[in-house]
Amino acid sequence: GAGVSQSPSNKVTEKGKDVELRCDPISGHTALYWYRQSLGQGLEFLIYFQGNSAPDKSGLPSDRFSAERTGGSVSTLTIQRTQQEDSAVYLCASSSRQSNQPQHFGDGTRLSIL
Amino acid sequence: KQEVTQIPAALSVPEGENLVLNCSFTDSAIYNLQWFRQDPGKGLTSLLLIQSSQREQTSGRLNASLDKSSGRSTLYIAASQPGDSATYLCAVSTLGGGYQKVTFGIGTKLQVIP
Repeated sequence: GAGVSQSPSNKVTEKGKDVELRCDPISGHTALYWYRQSLGQGLEFLIYFQGNSAPDKSGLPSDRFSAERTGGSVSTLTIQRTQQEDSAVYLCASSSRQSNQPQHFGDGTRLSIL
Repeated sequence: KQEVTQIPAALSVPEGENLVLNCSFTDSAIYNLQWFRQDPGKGLTSLLLIQSSQREQTSGRLNASLDKSSGRSTLYIAASQPGDSATYLCAVSTLGGGYQKVTFGIGTKLQVIP
């Protein structure tokens, strides 16, 4: 596609439920990143994919968070047993393999945990 | 650990004014610095990217400077317009493991009053 696409754009769910967020990167971009933007906070790095592997998942805040990427394209971020502190905007970005290329961002998924 | 600070947190100016947004970072060993714009409910749009070897970049009414040794960058917006109203984010990246690790500031929320 023309840009990074994320779905859903908004998600409201009850505490304790599992949620799945999707990111469709720019075609041909092998690098994919997930970030979290909490109210009043800067963007927080969660995980980086190169192809289907995740060489850096150091930003995942707990074992309730996991992510996968299949076919070197679409990625899903899964949050299990959601907590209220998980409420945030989750942003995905992609870039080409070359490390000097900028990241292109999607519009994010706004997650609200009741 | 890299930390990025942006000052001011919010700024309100009348249309037509020139303005400067400030960004500082603690670790000068950066690969590049990028300024983004974020509109409400939207993702990030890249405005300017400065490589570590460069001192400034210009795009239209925007000019970004970088002083790596002192850990500072400024974004200058000339002849501000109401359409410039948005949150401006500064992000610095370091290279490691073959990819860019990006650290963001919290942003400066700009309002340009007609």
